Amino acid sequence: DIQMTQSPSSLSASVGDRVTITCRASQGISNHLAWFQQRPGKAPKSLIYGASSLQSGVPSKFSGSGSGTDFTLTISSLQPEDFATYYCQQYTSYPYTFGQGTKLEIK
Amino acid sequence: EVQLVESGGGLVQPGGSLRLSCAASGFTFSRSWMGWVRQAPGKGLEWVANINQDGSEKYSVDSVKGRFTISRDNAKNSLYLQMNSLRAEDTAIYYCARDTGSYGFDDWGQGTLVTVSS
Repeated sequence: DIQMTQSPSSLSASVGDRVTITCRASQGISNHLAWFQQRPGKAPKSLIYGASSLQSGVPSKFSGSGSGTDFTLTISSLQPEDFATYYCQQYTSYPYTFGQGTKLEIK
Repeated sequence: EVQLVESGGGLVQPGGSLRLSCAASGFTFSRSWMGWVRQAPGKGLEWVANINQDGSEKYSVDSVKGRFTISRDNAKNSLYLQMNSLRAEDTAIYYCARDTGSYGFDDWGQGTLVTVSS
């Protein structure tokens, strides 16, 4: 199975900040990497697919990059609604696997 | 608008069974791969199972193999998860999601809670 490791596990930031979350795969996954946002008590929401492509309707403040084993999610100009938990997920092979999540909190 | 609505969750004793359903609308269900993802209380996301458009291909995580079965009824635009021999560690919110292949899981339901406890 492919293991996905996110860092950091938690992150404190202020409104207006720019933050970066990293995700590392235990083996190469090409660009078959997605990022999700999950607010408390809500279902996950897809932000990015193919490592760097925005899902329809997702604002351009979210951006993704990477290929192979190392990936990043960057969120610029943080707003209160961006404070949530973020997950990466590989979908290159079964079993699909998620990172453990990064909780983004307001400083 | 894509809508995925799960149902069938509840409290069940260890060793018991439950069948989850997911009603889909707003897209051509019969052309879409579908999947189930779960989230234990306070924990992260775990992929459970996927099924292809006509139900001929199914994949699942090792921890549920032999106990859970994913299926679909394209005439009813519905996805199912039959869960047998339930264990305490199966306690989770179960989400159904559309798997668009190269676009990943793009739409999710609101989830249904399964609690396995005596």
